[in-house]
Amino acid sequence: KAGVTQTPRYLIKTRGQQVTLSCSPISGHRSVSWYQQTPGQGLQFLFEYFSETQRNKGNFPGRFSGRQFSNSRSEMNVSTLELGDSALYLCASSLVSGGISSYNEQFFGPGTRLTVL
Amino acid sequence: DAKTTQPTSMDCAEGRAANLPCNHSTISGNEYVYWYRQIHSQGPQYIIHGLKNNETNEMASLIITEDRKSSTLILPHATLRDTAVYYCIVRVAMAGNMLTFGGGTRLMVKP
Repeated sequence: KAGVTQTPRYLIKTRGQQVTLSCSPISGHRSVSWYQQTPGQGLQFLFEYFSETQRNKGNFPGRFSGRQFSNSRSEMNVSTLELGDSALYLCASSLVSGGISSYNEQFFGPGTRLTVL
Repeated sequence: DAKTTQPTSMDCAEGRAANLPCNHSTISGNEYVYWYRQIHSQGPQYIIHGLKNNETNEMASLIITEDRKSSTLILPHATLRDTAVYYCIVRVAMAGNMLTFGGGTRLMVKP
């Protein structure tokens, strides 16, 4: 079956602009998580959505927001872009939120590489 | 979630076993050990997880010490395609899907 898809794959923006990234989870998966990866800070958790509700949120400013639709697709938005927002943004989906079985396995997409000039 | 410590990098000869250690001395009783890896330019990939018993799947084996303060991921016959950054993560399974990634171990498999 199809994996996690993220669009666009590459994006160039300028400081002060806003950006919206999209993630389509694997069919049937209801949890979507977002991560930011930079050379300096590594992989950092942004937030998780499950059944259209934000379940967890990482330590990021309010400029970073997200939402999930009834079909489980998710978007994240970054407003007032800063140079430091340049990063690879990864989306991961899983069947459920939490749990101890392999159903909790998270499947990552290829990411969206955002460059802020 | 408990903090983990991993070596920054390791080398392994192709065809040999790769043993990747992870220290998690502050792990609590309800925290699981998860391993993910990230091959260059790709998203992380789940490998295996465990609580206190040793686990094995088609990709790897996970050995957890009796006191649960450390673990070892074993790739039994490493190939060049196993070259990646390997992340050891400790978390409470029921607390949602948030993963806290550390620096990981950069494994280089050499011919």
